[in-house]
Amino acid sequence: NAGVTQTPKFQVLKTGQSMTLQCAQDMNHNSMYWYRQDPGMGLRLIYYSASEGTTDKGEVPNGYNVSRLNKREFSLRLESAAPSQTSVYFCASSAGTSRNTGELFFGEGSRLTVL
Amino acid sequence: KQEVTQIPAALSVPEGENLVLNCSFTDSAIYNLQWFRQDPGKGLTSLLLIQSSQREQTSGRLNASLDKSSGRSTLYIAASQPGDSATYLCAVIANYKLSFGAGTTVTVRA
Repeated sequence: NAGVTQTPKFQVLKTGQSMTLQCAQDMNHNSMYWYRQDPGMGLRLIYYSASEGTTDKGEVPNGYNVSRLNKREFSLRLESAAPSQTSVYFCASSAGTSRNTGELFFGEGSRLTVL
Repeated sequence: KQEVTQIPAALSVPEGENLVLNCSFTDSAIYNLQWFRQDPGKGLTSLLLIQSSQREQTSGRLNASLDKSSGRSTLYIAASQPGDSATYLCAVIANYKLSFGAGTTVTVRA
């Protein structure tokens, strides 16, 4: 059972470089999310997509863009990476379509270091 | 803004002892509360989801209670095992947003 799959698992970037984190889910979920996890800050929502074709900002969207390519895939792009974006990024999905998200399922994470 | 607090931040117990993990939240207008487990360097594994209309949810040795009016949830793990060592996170769900606590790191000593 694949669930939520993220690529790459590890990435090292130099300041100013760009990259895209990929996420795919095989549970036919409507909603998808990107979180970042930092020591002492917990998990914070970057962007979410309540359905195919829609995206909305979360708590910490600055410096990121997202694309809901289709129902399965939700990508996160860093256009010009900064050291402050060094973090572990998690993609999640849920079946919910209304304000009630339902149970969330997370991927294994993508560990990004920006030098 | 929803604030979620988990106390204690860390807990160490001998094998076989029951675990009690606490989660409190400031805004009772939530839809669900979800408990997760996170192993070092890994993602979050869903343990239990409690709907706002429910008082508790059980899965095997795990039991979670929810008291919306007082803004509290408790996760009980019976007869702890070394394999239960992990960080446990609670998250409250409202308006598409999960607000996470900082977690309780549990060590079960053999």
